Amino acid sequence: EAGVAQSPRYKIIEKRQSVAFWCNPISGHATLYWYQQILGQGPKLLIQFQNNGVVDDSQLPKDRFSAERLKGVDSTLKIQPAKLEDSAVYLCASSLVGTGPYNEQFFGPGTRLTVL
Amino acid sequence: AQSVTQPDIHITVSEGASLELRCNYSYGATPYLFWYVQSPGQGLQLLLKYFSGDTLVQGIKGFEAEFKRSQSSFNLRKPSVHWSDAAEYFCAVGALLTGNQFYFGTGTSLTVIP
Repeated sequence: EAGVAQSPRYKIIEKRQSVAFWCNPISGHATLYWYQQILGQGPKLLIQFQNNGVVDDSQLPKDRFSAERLKGVDSTLKIQPAKLEDSAVYLCASSLVGTGPYNEQFFGPGTRLTVL
Repeated sequence: AQSVTQPDIHITVSEGASLELRCNYSYGATPYLFWYVQSPGQGLQLLLKYFSGDTLVQGIKGFEAEFKRSQSSFNLRKPSVHWSDAAEYFCAVGALLTGNQFYFGTGTSLTVIP
């Protein structure tokens, strides 16, 4: 079974530029999550989708971050414009059913973003 | 508010020695508790989870964890560490009360010396 795919794996941009990350969840997984992991910290949930609807985006900085999952499968996370403090690893995860916190999440390898 | 504390930022153990990684949580109800491992350049992998029932749970790779409600703890243990266990370990709590939030601790980095 293929795992969660993310691209690119690494990205370096200058502040005020835009960047987008792509995630392809495990086939059949209805729930998709985006996390931000700053160096030395645990992952922080940014947004959670159930199919193509948003379940929770309370910690997403909506002035600069946006995410979509148009067909209920792939998802993109965008930052526009980027700030220095956005340097982090962006993790995508998916789970099979439901939106409860008890569902096992499967994580992708992440995208490491460096903002100069 | 819900939170997860991992008091040890970094731990070094000798190969073959026993291991215990500490995790304390703050949550008003019975939590859903997880331990994940993250190897360099890899995504997080679930080691084990606790929802209810037996407070001692077994996971993959020989790990186990014990839920102690009185201490608000969910410590991870392994009787004999292998060099391949060197990684970052994250404790996490799932909360139903706040929109199905999932909170991670700050992680414990494990170094294994020969």
